[in-house]
Amino acid sequence: GIQVEQSPPDLILQEGANSTLRCNFSDSVNNLQWFHQNPWGQLINLFYIPSGTKQNGRLSATTVATERYSLLYISSSQTTDSGVYFCAVPNYGGATNKLIFGTGTLLAVQP
Amino acid sequence: KAGVTQTPRYLIKTRGQQVTLSCSPISGHRSVSWYQQTPGQGLQFLFEYFSETQRNKGNFPGRFSGRQFSNSRSEMNVSTLELGDSALYLCASSPSYNEQFFGPGTRLTVL
Repeated sequence: GIQVEQSPPDLILQEGANSTLRCNFSDSVNNLQWFHQNPWGQLINLFYIPSGTKQNGRLSATTVATERYSLLYISSSQTTDSGVYFCAVPNYGGATNKLIFGTGTLLAVQP
Repeated sequence: KAGVTQTPRYLIKTRGQQVTLSCSPISGHRSVSWYQQTPGQGLQFLFEYFSETQRNKGNFPGRFSGRQFSNSRSEMNVSTLELGDSALYLCASSPSYNEQFFGPGTRLTVL
């Protein structure tokens, strides 16, 4: 099956700083999702981004499918951005809803 | 549109008991997937149901089972609970092979 790696595993920022989270995957995929896990455990959808770049407010994501990685950018971070960020891709890259998750990036934004 | 709902939100059981968790997908979504999240193993896929049929299955013992009803609501059952079954159980819904949306989760503690 496909392997997903995220880096860095942990990140501490001061409020207002920018950050880049990376997701590498071992095989071709036809979609990729980024999630933010809130303190209560719910996975909040950030981006559904098989390729290209998308932006949503202070967050943006870029997936370069040919090079098997995706980046999540957080600008002007706020304390509410704290939590764990996951990327996930479909197993075997294709027509399946079995998502393979990375191990996540734990982000702490300090005031 | 209402999001994915899961009940109960919290559950405490003792070893050897069984438990049933429920998930109601977003209206119109026919796929429901279940995931287990533990600190040691991360997020792992349990199974997926689509139109009342199990479409995909993860690597979990037969004590873990599920079903889906004609209204797309899904239940998962864990029999003969073990301490290691303590986890956050998340369900996700999707129209088919598309972006998945997660519910708030059920936190199960086995004593």
